[in-house]
Amino acid sequence: GQQVMQIPQYQHVQEGEDFTTYCNSSTTLSNIQWYKQRPGGHPVFLIQLVKSGEVKKQKRLTFQFEEAKKNSSLHITATQTTDVGTYFCAGRDSNYQLIWGAGTKLIIKP
Amino acid sequence: GEEVAQTPKHLVRGEGQKAKLYCAPIKGHSYVFWYQQVLKNEFKFLISFQNENVFDETGMPKERFSAKCLPNSPCSLEIQATKLEDSAVYFCASSATGGLYNEQFFGPGTRLTVL
Repeated sequence: GQQVMQIPQYQHVQEGEDFTTYCNSSTTLSNIQWYKQRPGGHPVFLIQLVKSGEVKKQKRLTFQFEEAKKNSSLHITATQTTDVGTYFCAGRDSNYQLIWGAGTKLIIKP
Repeated sequence: GEEVAQTPKHLVRGEGQKAKLYCAPIKGHSYVFWYQQVLKNEFKFLISFQNENVFDETGMPKERFSAKCLPNSPCSLEIQATKLEDSAVYFCASSATGGLYNEQFFGPGTRLTVL
């Protein structure tokens, strides 16, 4: 079946360093959504990308949806402790199903 | 309500016992989704509803799992004869419609521990 691969599984960064997570789909997606789950919490919707080549920014977060609509990334500039959590992508396939990535856990080194 | 409500927050069951989880979607939302999240964090889709009708049940282990969304009642997910591997956090989410562009709003989850 269709899969969305998300890497890396974990990323340890020093506070102030950048963080990036990548999602790759085996097939073209209609759109892709990004969610953040804080430790012990529930996923919260961050953003949705629809158009080929789309780039959206939310303060220090930059989301990209590449031209072929199979790959997406989330980049956080100058991480802060409030960024800690697991970031999930979820791609919408042509059958309207939301296919979830496995998540990337952002860990700030003490 | 304005948030997805899930009860109970925690549920402990002995292996072989029944477990029933409840979800009240955001008022006005037509779609309800159930997910299972185990320790590795990956979300496993179980089932979705459009109002009281099953929309997609491709993720549902049908032997022991069942779910309902009845009018004027919270949705429910029931596990008959729980097994150790059913231990997980079960999230319910709702969305306004099931179309291409709708975000899902998640409840706080129910942590099921099977001993």
